[in-house]
This record gives sequence, structure tokens and C-alpha cells, in this order.
Amino acid sequence: NAGVTQTPKFRILKIGQSMTLQCTQDMNHNYMYWYRQDPGMGLKLIYYSVGAGITDKGEVPNGYNVSRSTTEDFPLRLELAAPSQTSVYFCATSPTVARETQYFGPGTRLLVL
Amino acid sequence: AQSVTQLDSHVSVSEGTPVLLRCNYSSSYSPSLFWYVQHPNKGLQLLLKYTSAATLVKGINGFEAEFKKSETSFHLTKPSAHMSDAAEYFCVVSHPGGGNKLTFGTGTQLKVEL
Repeated sequence: NAGVTQTPKFRILKIGQSMTLQCTQDMNHNYMYWYRQDPGMGLKLIYYSVGAGITDKGEVPNGYNVSRSTTEDFPLRLELAAPSQTSVYFCATSPTVARETQYFGPGTRLLVL
Repeated sequence: AQSVTQLDSHVSVSEGTPVLLRCNYSSSYSPSLFWYVQHPNKGLQLLLKYTSAATLVKGINGFEAEFKKSETSFHLTKPSAHMSDAAEYFCVVSHPGGGNKLTFGTGTQLKVEL
């Protein structure tokens, strides 16, 4: 039981390049989330999903896209990388119960130069 | 709207002394509140959560927090700090409605000295 896994752990991108951050869970949770964490700040919600085929914007969605074709996977896509997207990205999952705990992956550190 | 304010960005204590990390919340309804811990270069781990049951909540590693509605506070405490407690701590409030969305505080960096 791996929980929430994220790949890659670290990536350097050039401005304008695109990439997909992968998130996979084996907890059978319907809810999944993408956050970014900037230095000295808390986590900001980018996108979330309440089930396969259903996604919605969070607080800071600009510059990102998501899809959710299966319960297990929730990839985050950066189409045109910008220096402002340099951050640490965390994926999380939650059971479909109100006020439940979120479980976090280990994070992906992204540097855009 | 829901929000949390962590009153200290950095706290430094000596090993074996008490820890107090302060958090105030703002919510238009009865909230769920969480404390998460993040060790260097790691993901976030749940320490404890309050969901309208007992107001004194016990968590892992000897931490506890007390929900005080009259003071809109949810401070995190531990009687005796250990070197392994050095980490960043986040106070978090839940959103109402669907999705179990969370709002994070800006974090408190705890330093533990010998």
C-alpha cells in the first residue's frame, strides 16, 4: 500500500516548455487535490477533483490544467512554463466524507529557468 | 470565508521545554480544524484534527490542541520538546460544502535547541 505517489521528485524546465506532474493513489479515495507551496507560504489549492471525470478550479488555477480519467490518477499539466511556476507541488487525496483528513504525497520540486 | 492566522512565523525552544504554536481561525460556520507537520523535504503529515467532538484533541507524538470558540483559537501544544519536533507546522481550516477543501495558514517554523 504505497498511499499517494508523485513523479518526478525534481525537475528543471526552461521557460515555455511543458510537462505533466503525475499523481497516483491506491487508497481508493474519490477526492484528489493539487497544491503548490511557495517559500514562507502555506499551500495554495490549484485544482481538485471529486471523482473520475469531474474537476474544478481552486484558488490559483491559471497556467495549469488537469484531467481525471480514473480514480487512481490525477495528472497536473503545465503548458507554457513560467518562472512564477517555480514551486513545490503536492498532490493529496481524501475520502468522500465531510471534514475528512487529506493525505499528501511527497511532493515534486519544480524549477523554471 | 474561512481563514487561519498563525501568529508566529518562527518559534525557538530548548529541548525538554514546552511548545506553544498559536493559531486563530475565522469561519462563518462551525469549522473542522487541523494541524499538519512538514519535516524538511517531506510531504505533510496529519498531527491532529478537531471535528466538533471533544474540544481538547490529542494527536501523534505527544501533541495536543484545544478548540476555543470564544477566542477563535486552536493552539498547538506539547509539554516537552524533542529534537525530532523541529519542522514546519501548518494550521488548517476546512471549507463548507463539497470537496473537503482546505485553507492553510502560512506556517510556523519550530526550532529545537539543545
